[in-house]
Parts: sequence; C-alpha cells; structure tokens
Amino acid sequence: QQQVKQSPQSLIVQKGGISIINCAYENTAFDYFPWYQQFPGKGPALLIAIRPDVSEKKEGRFTISFNKSAKQFSLHIMDSQPGDSATYFCAATGGTYKYIFGTGTRLKVLA
Amino acid sequence: SAVISQKPSRDICQRGTSLTIQCQVDSQVTMMFWYRQQPGQSLTLIATANQGSEATYESGFVIDKFPISRPNLTFSTLTVSNMSPEDSSIYLCSVEQGLNTEAFFGQGTRLTVV
Repeated sequence: QQQVKQSPQSLIVQKGGISIINCAYENTAFDYFPWYQQFPGKGPALLIAIRPDVSEKKEGRFTISFNKSAKQFSLHIMDSQPGDSATYFCAATGGTYKYIFGTGTRLKVLA
Repeated sequence: SAVISQKPSRDICQRGTSLTIQCQVDSQVTMMFWYRQQPGQSLTLIATANQGSEATYESGFVIDKFPISRPNLTFSTLTVSNMSPEDSSIYLCSVEQGLNTEAFFGQGTRLTVV
C-alpha cells in the first residue's frame, strides 16, 4: 500500500515531442505528489508538484494531470528538449514526513 | 528554500573501513533524512534524523551499520560502517521544512567500495 508504481522505466522522445510519465498509488492518505528531476551526479530537484484538490497543474512546459478516483498522476513534458534528458521520479507523501518515490524514468530526448 | 552541502562528493574506500558523510544546511530545519540510491535505482530512505533524539531507522537499516548524528538544526552526519562492495551507492541528505512540502536534496555522495 506504500508503493508508488512508475512507468515507463525508460523513454526516448524526439525533440519537440511530448514526454509522458505515469504513476499510480494505493494509499489514500497521500496528499502531496511531487515530481523530481535528477541529472547525473546531482541530487533530485523539485520540478512540479500537485495536491489532490486540483486535477491539473501547469508550469511552463511541464504539466501534472491528477486523477484522484483512479489514484493516478502523470507528468507531461511538452515540446521536449535535449536538456530535459534526465531521470524523473514521481513521489507521494501524506500525513507523515516520509516520501515514497517511484522507481524512476530515464528520459532521453533526441536532437 | 534550502541549500544543502554534502561532503565528500565522492570517495573510493577499502572494504572493512568506515566513511562519514556530512550534510550542512543553510537554514535551521527540523526534519533531516538520509537516503540511499543504488546505481540506476530509486531512492530508499535509510533513516530520519531529528535534533535532540535518536535517529529513526527504516526496515532493513540498523544503527550499528549506519550511525547518524544530529548535533544541531543545520548539520547531520551519516557513517557507513564496516563497508562492503554492496554498500557502493549514492547517499543523499534531504530536508523538509514542513509537513507535505518540498523535500530538498544535497548533491549526493557517490561511494565506491573496493
């Protein structure tokens, strides 16, 4: 019940395309859902986050879609760029300070 | 926001030895966390380090192997003891400034045990 399932494990997208990464959770106590971006040799950095009172949040080229009834949320990267090539982790937390991280998606955007 | 500095950034250690990783935060924080990230894998929480109390360890991690200190609200150390090659990982320090808020991460310590 504490898991966050993330897919796909890896993703290759052409420059200018849309990258979509999906996550699913079981614990209905989760109420904060961030996405982290990690470049090689760096720690994860917050990209965008959503709370369950909204179904979508957009920041620039990055959008989170949230489906509370399905217990799923996804990250959409519009107009993907080679600089977006990184590993992306979804996460969930709620009620405690503990984060549960997804397994990660390695994104490669081809120039 | 919080800026986290970790030292060392990387190290190569002999098996059987110990390494202490330092985590310095630029502001006072209540909650500090230590994670392990094995190559190509996700983040696994090792323990929560609270100032003034013993660290709380997650299942599979024990104090004898990963002793933690938290002497004040801006600093913590994680020691990886009696290392084996299986301890080769990236170790990350993280802080949160409130419940259900952003977690900030240090750049990590890449440990290789030979």
